[in-house]
Amino acid sequence: QVQLVQSGAEVKKPGASVKVSCKASQYNFSTYRIHWMRQAPGQRLEWMGRINGGNGGATYSQKFQGRVTITRDTSATTAYMDLTSLTSEDTAVYYCARSLGNNYIDFWGQGSMVTVSS
Amino acid sequence: EIVLTQSPGTLSLSPGERATLSCRASQSINSNYLAWYQQKPGQAPRLLIYGASSRATGIPDRFSGSGSGTDFTLTISRLEPEDFAVYLCQQYGSSPRTFGQGTKVEIK
Repeated sequence: QVQLVQSGAEVKKPGASVKVSCKASQYNFSTYRIHWMRQAPGQRLEWMGRINGGNGGATYSQKFQGRVTITRDTSATTAYMDLTSLTSEDTAVYYCARSLGNNYIDFWGQGSMVTVSS
Repeated sequence: EIVLTQSPGTLSLSPGERATLSCRASQSINSNYLAWYQQKPGQAPRLLIYGASSRATGIPDRFSGSGSGTDFTLTISRLEPEDFAVYLCQQYGSSPRTFGQGTKVEIK
């Protein structure tokens, strides 16, 4: 069955960067987009951006533009989300998920907790 | 961006009862590209409904979605014990994709 397996929890200091990975399996990685979202404590889910598994084209939410970079490695069928200049407000569970083109998201990774604390 | 507002915030019901959840958009959603997800504590969301009214693969028929434009509804016809969870709506018709704040369905 489809799997999106994310990297483990991270603890970072303010000002640092974090890179979260999302390993895809049991489907054609190049056919789908991978999205990244986050859910801060008590807050609604926020869409951060997405990458096309085939051509690697990425689109970002204006809120995170300049601070987030989404990449992928097709040979490893893995997508990555890099977030820089972390503050305590970036403490959240980060999720990757897939969609077929611009369509609905149909499957999610298990989430990766990122804690930003001095 | 489109703001989604879900109501009520919490729904207290008993197993076997009917649940009606609302999701209202700040502007019309293109092509009714509205999805519903179920989320349990510590778990990732699970797709229930897409395109406002189409059930995802493997979702029981007690779950149904309806609505168009700015007003959408998720109905659970008879609540089973495993249905007590948080329900989220999400629009994917415009960028950025946005989510509602969730409705918690709890056991009365």
